[in-house]
Amino acid sequence: DTGVSQDPRHKITKRGQNVTFRCDPISEHNRLYWYRQTLGQGPEFLTYFQNEAQLEKSRLLSDRFSAERPKGSFSTLEIQRTEQGDSAMYLCASSRHETEAFFGQGTRLTVV
Amino acid sequence: DQQVKQNSPSLSVQEGRISILNCDYTNSMFDYFLWYKKYPAEGPTFLISISSIKDKNEDGRFTVFLNKSAKHLSLHIVPSQPGDSAVYFCAASGATGTASKLTFGTGTRLQVTL
Repeated sequence: DTGVSQDPRHKITKRGQNVTFRCDPISEHNRLYWYRQTLGQGPEFLTYFQNEAQLEKSRLLSDRFSAERPKGSFSTLEIQRTEQGDSAMYLCASSRHETEAFFGQGTRLTVV
Repeated sequence: DQQVKQNSPSLSVQEGRISILNCDYTNSMFDYFLWYKKYPAEGPTFLISISSIKDKNEDGRFTVFLNKSAKHLSLHIVPSQPGDSAVYFCAASGATGTASKLTFGTGTRLQVTL
């Protein structure tokens, strides 16, 4: 399967714990995006990488959130000191230059 | 401030008929529009896109129409099939011809009945 891969698919964590999600984009895609989707809403943009450079971050991305793409390939999204409001589907997408973005299946985070 | 609006949360259409899903936007800087389909527990799947230099784009059973003066676009599915039942998201981008930083609507749930 050469699509966007996200791991894990589901994560349940206790409030206050740190979590890290991984995204492997489609191999020839140089752009990688993170979105968050909550119930009844469309995906909301979080951050965007072109190769290894993080070019834009949404104001939704508080100081507790950090994203990296160290070698311009896979990316990680870490949430520190999780809160119940962080419960959502975290979606990763990738694209090649000026084309449509392809999404992974997402990581569903539940903070209890 | 919802810059991309899908005012119909749900739509039910009979198999074989036309499904029309609507989307309105408020930001005049948007110039690239996309439709995604989403099944439960899966990520959105790209369907079709349109640049602001066009007013229509067609791909098989799917056609997207763009009315820039009204800031309105619609997705037509003809003929509708049961497998089309899903949530459809309209998305917009402000960078010409690119898919970066999409702004999504809240989605329309389409149910295609037999």
